[in-house]
Amino acid sequence: DAGITQSPRHKVTETGTPVTLRCHQTENHRYMYWYRQDPGHGLRLIHYSYGVKDTDKGEVSDGYSVSRSKTEDFLLTLESATSSQTSVYFCAIGRGRGLSTEAFFGQGTRLTVV
Amino acid sequence: SQQGEEDPQALSIQEGENATMNCSYKTSINNLQWYRQNSGRGLVHLILIRSNEREKHSGRLRVTLDTSKKSSSLLITASRAADTASYFCATDDSGGSNYKLTFGKGTLLTVNP
Repeated sequence: DAGITQSPRHKVTETGTPVTLRCHQTENHRYMYWYRQDPGHGLRLIHYSYGVKDTDKGEVSDGYSVSRSKTEDFLLTLESATSSQTSVYFCAIGRGRGLSTEAFFGQGTRLTVV
Repeated sequence: SQQGEEDPQALSIQEGENATMNCSYKTSINNLQWYRQNSGRGLVHLILIRSNEREKHSGRLRVTLDTSKKSSSLLITASRAADTASYFCATDDSGGSNYKLTFGKGTLLTVNP
């Protein structure tokens, strides 16, 4: 158990509403990630963080923002949810060792936008 | 676009057979990793191979890496029904951030008892 908790685990929301997903880690790792997983697309990187207040965009960042005000928490916000953002969202932490980083994943959040 | 692309998309074999999955990527890397995902769960790390390694073993897993072709393969020997899962390769970017991990679309492996 890598000490990662995602909340909520399931959420149904209406189009146009803001939604925030939370990822919490207990191991003080520097790197954290948000991915979304959709059939036919595999896992796609939304945003990632390399330290407190240090974040960068992934390949599918449009419509999403993130914040990391503490080492242990990485928040993903859908500013105005759309049906195309219906997906399973995974948070991960990265354990860095030299030039390698190994990812440990949370259990996922299933988000449905109606 | 995604860095890694696995093939085949789906693979069905009988218990006891070997399973081979391939991954191709686009940019230079420091490392390539393979992960496994059981249905509905988060991904779990299986094995990492560095760019200066050509082959690595871990139990029934064998990974090869050909940086000239920008490709890797994962071999699972003597497969078991419990190996049924999706398998993903993940790469970093040696020209950018070694902590920026991108994943492919995955190979769904079904091992029939």
